[in-house]
Amino acid sequence: GPKVLQIPSHQIIDMGQMVTLNCDPVSNHLYFYWYKQILGQQMEFLVNFYNGKVMEKSKLFKDQFSVERPDGSYFTLKIQPTALEDSAVYFCASSFGGLSYEQYFGPGTRLTVL
Amino acid sequence: QQQVRQSPQSLTVWEGETAILNCSYENSAFDYFPWYQQFPGEGPALLISILSVSDKKEDGRFTIFFNKREKKLSLHIADSQPGDSATYFCAASAKDSGYNKLTFGKGTVLLVSP
Repeated sequence: GPKVLQIPSHQIIDMGQMVTLNCDPVSNHLYFYWYKQILGQQMEFLVNFYNGKVMEKSKLFKDQFSVERPDGSYFTLKIQPTALEDSAVYFCASSFGGLSYEQYFGPGTRLTVL
Repeated sequence: QQQVRQSPQSLTVWEGETAILNCSYENSAFDYFPWYQQFPGEGPALLISILSVSDKKEDGRFTIFFNKREKKLSLHIADSQPGDSATYFCAASAKDSGYNKLTFGKGTVLLVSP
């Protein structure tokens, strides 16, 4: 099926530092998403993004979070500053939109905040 | 309040048996239900999905049965194979969000014994 890539696969940083998670979505997809999964819990929606704008965000999407996709490059999730509770696996997804609802997920980035 | 619930938490079946994974939901606005399969260290992969206008969807060995009145659905995996051993997530989405936000259950860990 369609492939979504995520870089890096693992990231370890100190609390208070900035981190950027990168996502390479499926090439013709128009909608982009970030989900957060804490170990042992279900995946939770963070934010979706279309046409250069955030369309919807959850209460988990704190003020320290931001997303962008400059000039069709990587779709990024930036956390500045990081907190201990940001430790989780972050999954990027993309979809074509319209009548094509299917979201395709990347392999995730495991973020550890020390 | 968990909006999407899955049971059992884990399930073991013998090779060749039919595995039945259950899902229920709270929000009557949900009308699109994808199931995802996730192997350790990988992202969730879309397996099969159903819209609430249907009560059954088949794709090879995988079948979704949907009961809108009871807000329940189930995934049946016929002729289970050891390679089907994975975590299965039921998810839900609503038309009023443009199907752009998935709410996930906590997953069922399936083990198929040879």
